[in-house]
Amino acid sequence: DGGITQSPKYLFRKEGQNVTLSCEQNLNHDAMYWYRQDPGQGLRLIYYSQIVNDFQKGDIAEGYSVSREKKESFPLTVTSAQKNPTAFYLCASSTGTYLKTQYFGPGTRLLVL
Amino acid sequence: QQQVKQSPQSLIVQKGGISIINCAYENTAFDYFPWYQQFPGKGPALLIAIRPDVSEKKEGRFTISFNKSAKQFSLHIMDSQPGDSATYFCAARMETSGSRLTFGEGTQLTVNP
Repeated sequence: DGGITQSPKYLFRKEGQNVTLSCEQNLNHDAMYWYRQDPGQGLRLIYYSQIVNDFQKGDIAEGYSVSREKKESFPLTVTSAQKNPTAFYLCASSTGTYLKTQYFGPGTRLLVL
Repeated sequence: QQQVKQSPQSLIVQKGGISIINCAYENTAFDYFPWYQQFPGKGPALLIAIRPDVSEKKEGRFTISFNKSAKQFSLHIMDSQPGDSATYFCAARMETSGSRLTFGEGTQLTVNP
């Protein structure tokens, strides 16, 4: 089945710890995205990548880092500099066709211990 | 100018009723307007989308109405069902931004039996 997988489903972070969220897609999409969703709020863009080995900051990139070494993978690291990391993190990818519709993964919920 | 404003924040309708969610934008460079549906703990899924060269698009019980002069678009859910209870997001995209989307704040819809 083609799709986007995110792991783990739940992740716990200790104070001062960096954690990495995984996002993999087998849709052969060029572009990938990371969003943060807080309760009762919309989707805020953290980072996005239009092509392998290139990525751009979104609206709330501080305290996060990404890499895009392979087309199918776009991991997100939540660093210790992110003081309020508790949120639902969503990965998405989009086709290179005209409308470039974004498709979302199932999400990872990050909680702070 | 990059914002998409969505209302209402929450909506309660009775089974069989019509649910209406509205979005407004300022940037006339937006050229693609998708709506996403999100169930609790899941990633958003594309529901229906429209381009500004048409005034209405219908898919089953879901209809997008688009008013280019007013810079507004809305989602109508006819014969609303309890299974439609979810959070709905409108979004907009500029061709020059590739596939990057700007999302509204979301509307939590509850359909009572």
